[in-house]
Amino acid sequence: QKEVEQDPGPLSVPEGAIVSLNCTYSNSAFQYFMWYRQYSRKGPELLMYTYSSGNKEDGRFTAQVDKSSKYISLFIRDSQPSDSATYLCAMTLIQGAQKLVFGQGTRLTINP
Amino acid sequence: DAGVIQSPRHEVTEMGQEVTLRCKPISGHDYLFWYRQTMMRGLELLIYFNNNVPIDDSGMPEDRFSAKMPNASFSTLKIQPSEPRDSAVYFCASSLRASSGGYTFGSGTRLTVV
Repeated sequence: QKEVEQDPGPLSVPEGAIVSLNCTYSNSAFQYFMWYRQYSRKGPELLMYTYSSGNKEDGRFTAQVDKSSKYISLFIRDSQPSDSATYLCAMTLIQGAQKLVFGQGTRLTINP
Repeated sequence: DAGVIQSPRHEVTEMGQEVTLRCKPISGHDYLFWYRQTMMRGLELLIYFNNNVPIDDSGMPEDRFSAKMPNASFSTLKIQPSEPRDSAVYFCASSLRASSGGYTFGSGTRLTVV
């Protein structure tokens, strides 16, 4: 079993829809949770960063962490074609530049 | 800052040849990571350095793979001899230990071994 599980998709939704992306994990010691966005033929870029359980909002994006269920989510409101990318969850044990464990990534397409 | 710089962007080589991938991290970052990405396996950590010292190389698949970081501004990942199954996109990333922003990735090197 992988430490971090993420449905690779692909996921295709119409413009304006609310998108929900999810990851589950097995190691209860993970404390820091991140979402990266990767456009085609580019490197991943950090989108959201959260610590422990709770919600964090940044514009149209909301990250949720439920440590009791070992489940994290990323919601995108009012989705735009420019949001079309692969979204990867990542997590680590302690803050800073330690070893990140990535999910497989979910490929998302927003249709105009 | 120009970000993490990787070269070459694309590499096509024949099986059995030596391949060297290069990375220049962001100035001041003290961690450097090498990842490999494939459709089947996603992003896999190969090795990472802290202050130029290799910390964890447990992800290096075989002895054919080696990585060095001779100074704070340069790292190489070498595959010798290369095999078709090494075909993947190789990413370098760097980070500050104290940062809460995760890693900064380069644009990757797309390696094709024929």
